Amino acid sequence: AAGVIQSPRHLIKEKRETATLKCYPIPRHDTVYWYQQGPGQDPQFLISFYEKMQSDKGSIPDRFSAQQFSDYHSELNMSSLELGDSALYFCASTVATYNEQFFGPGTRLTVL
Amino acid sequence: AQKVTQAQTEISVVEKEDVTLDCVYETRDTTYYLFWYKQPPSGELVFLIRRNSFDEQNEISGRYSWNFQKSTSSFNFTITASQVVDSAVYFCALSADSGYSTLTFGKGTMLLVSP
Repeated sequence: AAGVIQSPRHLIKEKRETATLKCYPIPRHDTVYWYQQGPGQDPQFLISFYEKMQSDKGSIPDRFSAQQFSDYHSELNMSSLELGDSALYFCASTVATYNEQFFGPGTRLTVL
Repeated sequence: AQKVTQAQTEISVVEKEDVTLDCVYETRDTTYYLFWYKQPPSGELVFLIRRNSFDEQNEISGRYSWNFQKSTSSFNFTITASQVVDSAVYFCALSADSGYSTLTFGKGTMLLVSP
């Protein structure tokens, strides 16, 4: 069965650079979530989209933005990267009837 | 506001021992979902179980079992006859009963199973 795809899997950036993470949900899933997991931390909700509209917002810094495109894939754009942005970024997708989020493998971002 | 507490930061056991991971939650919702995820050293989040707040039946899946007690707001996870491959961080999580609710995770419990 198709799973959530995230790319890239690993990304190394310098401070003050920008990064774009991509998420391709399971086919026919209309909702995408982004979570950030710092080292030794639990995943924290950043933002979610339903049918290409932002549906909920968590602790997402103003330097970050995200959107969901017409093909339902989503991109998380991160600017002016800081050392503290180094984390594992998970994308998850779902449809309303599931009451369950399906997680991708994550993108590990390292900011040097 | 929702909150999930996993009081055990780290547990170490020897292979074949049974181990229980505790999870206590807080929510004002009358209906909600509880989850357990496993995160091995490779980093991915592996879904283990989802439980609706209306369903208080305990569940067993192989060496895994879950004890949901609404009266004490707990959803504990037991691994029987632990194995080295069970070594991972285990997260308990909570969401409202809405198709698009976000997950609130506990801080996780690191389980180390030694041979």
